[in-house]
Amino acid sequence: QFVLTQPPSASGTPGQRVTISCSGSHSNIGGNAVNWYQQFPGSAPKLLIYSNNQRPSGVPDRFSGSKSGTSASLAISGLQSEDEADYYCATWDDSRNGPWVFGRGTKVTVL
Amino acid sequence: EVLLVESGGALVQPGRSLRLSCTTSGFTFSDHVISWVRQAPGKGLEWVSVIRSEIYGATTEYAESVEGRFTVSRDDSRGIAYLQMNNLKTDDTAIYYCVRDIRSRSGYYYFDSWGQGTLVTVSS
Repeated sequence: QFVLTQPPSASGTPGQRVTISCSGSHSNIGGNAVNWYQQFPGSAPKLLIYSNNQRPSGVPDRFSGSKSGTSASLAISGLQSEDEADYYCATWDDSRNGPWVFGRGTKVTVL
Repeated sequence: EVLLVESGGALVQPGRSLRLSCTTSGFTFSDHVISWVRQAPGKGLEWVSVIRSEIYGATTEYAESVEGRFTVSRDDSRGIAYLQMNNLKTDDTAIYYCVRDIRSRSGYYYFDSWGQGTLVTVSS
């Protein structure tokens, strides 16, 4: 159902580095930029990373994004308890799937 | 401050209609593309529709799941976007978010501002 593939969950202890993958195809990630959104329970999503690796003002620099080919990644360095949330990747899709497609979301748990 | 506030969510029976509104402030509404994104209870995000600015002909696009049933529109004079939803199905039950699309310097778009969402429940 979801065009972009994300793992359902990821976890780490405080201070650890956690990476979330987002896999797509040439019609989406392969030809467009990837954005990442963070969502806490009961709240609206919030922009975390745009254009593959750009952080909006106010987003801590422990969050970083990258893209290679048809895959993208979100890394959280120095994991903190307040980072426990759902994370979604999204991008433009040039096929009939689009224009916008999301990943299923990854629940990050801080152990 | 950029604000988007959705309203109009309700409990409706299958087959009925509902119109959602997205009232905005803090930016020049007419210059911006607006999308609707929904989230079914306990599920992920699903893009629903987009309406571009008048500069781009106010063109619209829809997800396959709502094509032919939903219509998005905008009133630039009032800074409001609408989502008219007809022939609602139980699968349309979700929180509906209004989001502002922004074009980055590299030319790609992203959703930079989200409303708080409005809940639509379709049930008999």
